Amino acid sequence: SQQGEEDPQALSIQEGENATMNCSYKTSINNLQWYRQNSGRGLVHLILIRSNEREKHSGRLRVTLDTSKKSSSLLITASRAADTASYFCATDSGLTGGGNKLTFGTGTQLKVEL
Amino acid sequence: DTEVTQTPKHLVMGMTNKKSLKCEQHMGHRAMYWYKQKAKKPPELMFVYSYEKLSINESVPSRFSPECPNSSLLNLHLHALQPEDSALYLCASSRDRVYEQYFGPGTRLTVT
Repeated sequence: SQQGEEDPQALSIQEGENATMNCSYKTSINNLQWYRQNSGRGLVHLILIRSNEREKHSGRLRVTLDTSKKSSSLLITASRAADTASYFCATDSGLTGGGNKLTFGTGTQLKVEL
Repeated sequence: DTEVTQTPKHLVMGMTNKKSLKCEQHMGHRAMYWYKQKAKKPPELMFVYSYEKLSINESVPSRFSPECPNSSLLNLHLHALQPEDSALYLCASSRDRVYEQYFGPGTRLTVT
């Protein structure tokens, strides 16, 4: 079963506005990652936040992590039409043999209109 | 080179066919992954290879058979698939544990 639940499922905003997506998960994690997917193509990694971090920034992206509430949020500031995509959180529970096991959330479909 | 390549981009196959999907990366990553993604759903992990050895099989039916011939190459052999196996198949790689994954563009598979 999916570990992460995201809300909202869909979000429509105007260019220049901020977009916030939330992710909740159920078990302990090593880290949490956010990915973007454009129109049924491959996923692009956006940001990784480790379990001992509370906040991380990358350009127009800000991610927070609250391990006590098992939740994370992704904020995209000053959105652009090119930000239109599906956004997934993914929790990493780690693997003993190498590699990392990512379990993806349900995703938020963001549409940024001109 | 931070690219993961997948071939073919599209594949249509009958239920009695045998076909293979190919994935390649030249980033020196030691972990490689296969995911299956249905429309409007998140990717679901199928297999993980670490240092060319299968480390995770997420209870995938035997009609899907992964192979890792070397550290840069990952194959997924398909045989006797069902229409419900139609999906986007994504390959990914990562340096090792607790690192981000790099995804290929996927192979869109249709089983008729």
